[in-house]
Amino acid sequence: DTEVTQTPKHLVMGMTNKKSLKCEQHMGHRAMYWYKQKAKKPPELMFVYSYEKLSINESVPSRFSPECPNSSLLNLHLHALQPEDSALYLCASQGGETEAFFGQGTRLTVV
Amino acid sequence: GIQVEQSPPDLILQEGANSTLRCNFSDSVNNLQWFHQNPWGQLINLFYIPSGTKQNGRLSATTVATERYSLLYISSSQTTDSGVYFCAPEGGGADGLTFGKGTHLIIQP
Repeated sequence: DTEVTQTPKHLVMGMTNKKSLKCEQHMGHRAMYWYKQKAKKPPELMFVYSYEKLSINESVPSRFSPECPNSSLLNLHLHALQPEDSALYLCASQGGETEAFFGQGTRLTVV
Repeated sequence: GIQVEQSPPDLILQEGANSTLRCNFSDSVNNLQWFHQNPWGQLINLFYIPSGTKQNGRLSATTVATERYSLLYISSSQTTDSGVYFCAPEGGGADGLTFGKGTHLIIQP
C-alpha cells in the first residue's frame, strides 16, 4: 500500500470556524509533512514530523497547528483562518532515503 | 535553504515531440525527486534520483550532483503528459523537499 490518504478533499470554512485536516499513511514511514500550495505556485513546506520530532516553518502563522496522534496520522488543525489561507493543502510521507508520496490534497476555501 | 531554478517555465509541444527539462540547485543535496502534478493537483513521483541516470518507459532522468543540476527527458510526448513538472531537492536533516517553480508543459494533439 503506497497511498497517503487525505480527508476531506474539499473544505469551505468561515473565518470563525475551527476545522481539522487529516492525513494517514500505512507504509511505516517515520516522516510526514504538510505543504501549502497556492494557485500557479510550487508547494511550500509548513511542518515536518520526523521520528517523533516536530519542525515548523517559522513563517507559518499560529492559526495552523499540527498534531501527530501516532506514527500513521498527521492532522492539521485550523482556527480563525483568513481568506488568503485558501489553498491546496498537501500531505506527504517519506521513509528514510526513499521517494516521498503525496496525498490528493485538500482544497480549502476560507470565506 | 536550497535555491532551485527550473527551465523552461513554459513549454508547448506537439504530440510525439521530445523535450528536456532542467533543474539547477544551489547546494549539495541528499536526494532529488521529480514530480508531475496533474490538473487535479495530485503530485505523482516520477523519479527519486540523487545521482546518476534512471529510465522509466518514455521518461528518463539524470542528476549530476557534483555540478548541481538534474535533467528530465520526455520522449514521444502524449497529451496525458501535460501538466506541471516539479524538481524537488532535499538537503540534510529532516528539512522536507524544496520545490522549484516548475515547468508547465502543454502537449497539443
